Amino acid sequence: SAVISQKPSRDICQRGTSLTIQCQVDSQVTMMFWYRQQPGQSLTLIATANQGSEATYESGFVIDKFPISRPNLTFSTLTVSNMSPEDSSIYLCSVRGGTYGYTFGSGTRLTVV
Amino acid sequence: AQSVTQLGSHVSVSEGALVLLRCNYSSSVPPYLFWYVQYPNQGLQLLLKYTTGATLVKGINGFEAEFKKSETSFHLTKPSAHMSDAAEYFCAVSDPPEGGYNKLIFGAGTRLAVHP
Repeated sequence: SAVISQKPSRDICQRGTSLTIQCQVDSQVTMMFWYRQQPGQSLTLIATANQGSEATYESGFVIDKFPISRPNLTFSTLTVSNMSPEDSSIYLCSVRGGTYGYTFGSGTRLTVV
Repeated sequence: AQSVTQLGSHVSVSEGALVLLRCNYSSSVPPYLFWYVQYPNQGLQLLLKYTTGATLVKGINGFEAEFKKSETSFHLTKPSAHMSDAAEYFCAVSDPPEGGYNKLIFGAGTRLAVHP
C-alpha cells in the first residue's frame, strides 16, 4: 500500500493566521482526500482533490476557508485559513490504494490559540 | 446517500472476553466496508475490509467481520480481548470503484475499553 508523509505533525497557531499542511505520497494516485477529526469526534471528509482540477468540497466546507492544491499525482496541500479556536482538530490526508484499501497520513494536530 | 451507524459509543469488556462492535450501513449500491483502529495520539490503521467475495473477512490482530447484506451490517468481532485492543474503532463505507465517488464515510466511532 501507499506510504504517505504528512507534515507538520503538530502546530500551535495564533488565531487569524493560516497553516498549510502537506502530504507526499510515494506513488502516483488519482484522488487524495482530506479529513478533519475534531476532538473526540469521528472523521469528516473536507474535500477530494484530483490532479489538474479544482477540489470537490463537502457540504459545510468552502474553498476560501480550506484551499487545496494538487499540483501533481504525488502531492497535495491543505491550507486552513483565518484560523479560530474552532479549527483546532487533527487533519488527515488519505489516498486509495491499488487493492482498495485507503491509507492515511499520520495526521496534523492543530491547536489554535 | 451513504451513512454508517455504530451502535455504542463506548464498549467495555474484560480481558479474554468476546469483543463485538456493531456497525450498520446505508448505501444505494453494494458497498465496500472497512474497519479502522486508532490508538491514542496515533493515525488510522486498517483492520480489515470487505469488497467482494467471501462475506467473512479476517483482519489483523485476530479481528474479523461478517458482511450481512440482509441485515445491512458489518459487525467486528474478536474472540478474546487483550489489553492492547483498547482503542477507538471506526467503521467506514464507500462505493465500489465503478459505482460512485469513492469517498470514505465514517461512523461516529466506538471506544473500546479492556479491563483486567
